[in-house]
Amino acid sequence: GAGVSQSPSNKVTEKGKDVELRCDPISGHTALYWYRQSLGQGLEFLIYFQGNSAPDKSGLPSDRFSAERTGGSVSTLTIQRTQQEDSAVYLCASSPDPGVSSYEQYFGPGTRLTVT
Amino acid sequence: QKEVEQDPGPLSVPEGAIVSLNCTYSNSAFQYFMWYRQYSRKGPELLMYTYSSGNKEDGRFTAQVDKSSKYISLFIRDSQPSDSATYLCAGQANAGNNRKLIWGLGTSLAVNP
Repeated sequence: GAGVSQSPSNKVTEKGKDVELRCDPISGHTALYWYRQSLGQGLEFLIYFQGNSAPDKSGLPSDRFSAERTGGSVSTLTIQRTQQEDSAVYLCASSPDPGVSSYEQYFGPGTRLTVT
Repeated sequence: QKEVEQDPGPLSVPEGAIVSLNCTYSNSAFQYFMWYRQYSRKGPELLMYTYSSGNKEDGRFTAQVDKSSKYISLFIRDSQPSDSATYLCAGQANAGNNRKLIWGLGTSLAVNP
């Protein structure tokens, strides 16, 4: 079946511009996670959605970062006024009922963001 | 100190070698321990998970958790070039209420033919 998809796969943007990153989770997965991965930093948790609500957004690094999820499916991560330190790979993952198996996360291929 | 410590390597071994990958953690509340594998330019994929202490075997892979020493291990027998990837360990305090996985930095492994 279809896995988690993310778009775009690569994004180069100028400092100060806004970007939108999209995630299509596996159909039926209620939980959705956004992570950031940069060299030497590992996987950094950004935000978690259960359905359309975000009970944990503690990882968003600043108020320039926001995310939403609609229809319990597609999610968009928006970064406003991008900075060079935002350059990283942004990974999305989804999970079936997290009450039972939240350790089992299915990742997309990521969006490689470069801010010039 | 990070909650999960993992030597980033790189680790380079010849084909057929036994590989030992390790992590330490500090959070005594961790109950689930995971190993994810990440190929270059791909997202991580779940390789194995273990609940509490003990061993779990799946083919050439064995995951081991020692909660008394807060030590997590992944052993790969008869390593293959296709095992070349980054291996990330993760811990989770409570699968029911806390869905946040705490990740190690990942260990880069190269298996040379």
